[in-house]
Amino acid sequence: DGGITQSPKYLFRKEGQNVTLSCEQNLNHDAMYWYRQDPGQGLRLIYYSQIVNDFQKGDIAEGYSVSREKKESFPLTVTSAQKNPTAFYLCASSNWDRGHTDTQYFGPGTRLTVL
Amino acid sequence: LAKTTQPISMDSYEGQEVNITCSHNNIATNDYITWYQQFPSQGPRFIIQGYKTKVTNEVASLFIPADRKSSTLSLPRVSLSDTAVYYCLVGSPTDDKIIFGKGTRLHILP
Repeated sequence: DGGITQSPKYLFRKEGQNVTLSCEQNLNHDAMYWYRQDPGQGLRLIYYSQIVNDFQKGDIAEGYSVSREKKESFPLTVTSAQKNPTAFYLCASSNWDRGHTDTQYFGPGTRLTVL
Repeated sequence: LAKTTQPISMDSYEGQEVNITCSHNNIATNDYITWYQQFPSQGPRFIIQGYKTKVTNEVASLFIPADRKSSTLSLPRVSLSDTAVYYCLVGSPTDDKIIFGKGTRLHILP
């Protein structure tokens, strides 16, 4: 059963702690993305990766870090430098034949709350 | 990146056809038009994509006039489960991102 998974679904963090959100896909997609969504807002791009061992910053990369050691995995670390980390985080993957316009397949999301 | 404008919200009734229009006056020659659907607390889901004229799939139709400055997503015979946010995106394969704006919040009434 192909798809993209994120874990955990809900995550609570104390201020000052780093936390890592997991994203795995078995769709054999080259590209993976991380977005942030705040209530009533659209999605904002944090980072994306077109290929293993390479990634690019999106609009709001400050306070976040990523790695892409495997094609299937693209974990996102929310560091203590992120001033307002409470949000809904969405991971997506796609082919890269037409760049960002290729259909993006999204995971179920992780809701992060900073206490 | 071409900017898009779509209504903030719309209401309709079960069984009706719903048309959501998106304006993109500065669309570029290489830009595609893509629509996604998002239910609360879920990731968006691709609905349809087009470049010009009309595209139809099992879920929706996308109408694009010749000047491509707007597009209309048409949902036939909606049901309560079509209540969601619908995003119109415009971009080309060479763009460094694609923008999900605030979308249109569609509310289907019984």
